[in-house]
Amino acid sequence: GIQVEQSPPDLILQEGANSTLRCNFSDSVNNLQWFHQNPWGQLINLFYIPSGTKQNGRLSATTVATERYSLLYISSSQTTDSGVYFCAVEDGTASKLTFGTGTRLQVTL
Amino acid sequence: NAGVTQTPKFRILKIGQSMTLQCTQDMNHNYMYWYRQDPGMGLKLIYYSVGAGITDKGEVPNGYNVSRSTTEDFPLRLELAAPSQTSVYFCASSYYGAWDEKLFFGSGTQLSVL
Repeated sequence: GIQVEQSPPDLILQEGANSTLRCNFSDSVNNLQWFHQNPWGQLINLFYIPSGTKQNGRLSATTVATERYSLLYISSSQTTDSGVYFCAVEDGTASKLTFGTGTRLQVTL
Repeated sequence: NAGVTQTPKFRILKIGQSMTLQCTQDMNHNYMYWYRQDPGMGLKLIYYSVGAGITDKGEVPNGYNVSRSTTEDFPLRLELAAPSQTSVYFCASSYYGAWDEKLFFGSGTQLSVL
């Protein structure tokens, strides 16, 4: 099956800093989504982005499907951005998403 | 609009017991999924459904069963619980075929098998 690798595995930022999270995948995809899991375990969908660029407030994402990677940008980070960020991809089978192991982000004051 | 609702939120089972995790969604989504998340790991797909009456196995289906009699409900059945099934279980849904096939998750069920 398709492989999904996320980097870095852990990231500590000071509030106000910017960061870039990366997701590499091993095959062409029809569907790519980014999720944030907050410290209470809730999973929130950030972006549906199989290709191109999207922005939502301080967050933006870019997927370069031909080169098999996606980037999530967090600008002016806040403590509420803490948690785990997951990339998930689907390679064409009934919208079944395969998840990466995540990037754990801690934003400190 | 409640979204995806899971019950219960927490449960402790003894080895060999059975239980059903409930999941319902009110967004008229055609696709529904069950994932499990082990500590410090990503999510793994247990079962999924592309519509009422249609279910299929995911990556880790052993020890579980599902049914989908309605569009809204997708219960997950654990038979003969084992310690290896200790995990957090997430139900999710999406509208396949829409311009934006976002996956929406419930709040999870934390299950311990002792």
